[in-house]
Amino acid sequence: AQSVTQLGSHVSVSEGALVLLRCNYSSSVPPYLFWYVQYPNQGLQLLLKYTTGATLVKGINGFEAEFKKSETSFHLTKPSAHMSDAAEYFCAVSDQDDKIIFGKGTRLHILP
Amino acid sequence: ETGVTQTPRHLVMGMTNKKSLKCEQHLGHNAMYWYKQSAKKPLELMFVYNFKEQTENNSVPSRFSPECPNSSHLFLHLHTLQPEDSALYLCASSQDGIRAGNTIYFGEGSWLTVV
Repeated sequence: AQSVTQLGSHVSVSEGALVLLRCNYSSSVPPYLFWYVQYPNQGLQLLLKYTTGATLVKGINGFEAEFKKSETSFHLTKPSAHMSDAAEYFCAVSDQDDKIIFGKGTRLHILP
Repeated sequence: ETGVTQTPRHLVMGMTNKKSLKCEQHLGHNAMYWYKQSAKKPLELMFVYNFKEQTENNSVPSRFSPECPNSSHLFLHLHTLQPEDSALYLCASSQDGIRAGNTIYFGEGSWLTVV
């Protein structure tokens, strides 16, 4: 069965600094991978997803993630953090069972 | 505006009450979902409806009763809930039924407090 591990329930970065949120997955078949963001008092919104093809995926708001099969990772990055990036971020994986499994989430704090 | 609308946004109910959560999607999708989001727990899939047929019930207690009258509407009927059922309930939908790799679109959620 597939699973998702997000390292760090809370991450703090300074405004303008690099954002790196880590996600590792386990799946017996090539996975489909997602990053969702949840702003306060809102539902989850898709940031980006990997299905097939190019392993570097660009998403909204300047975020991108790289699928690394050898490391079973799909880390989310953004070169320069903005105050508006403060939110909770969820990594998710789905496979041929058609179920999407979400990680526990990482809350990103932006320091002025 | 996400295309998935949930009402009410906030609900407080007593343990003996009966209430319902409503979800409507305007995206032309065929699959709809209920998720539960509690503090310090991963997002929990509760129910899945694919072309109006329930295809998933993740061992959800019978005090939660879903209803899907058509592909655009989904209800969650609540009765004799417990305080531990207090959580954010998220409705979601996806296109072309359930397929691996499909994007799930979420509503803004209904905050439920059981007193």
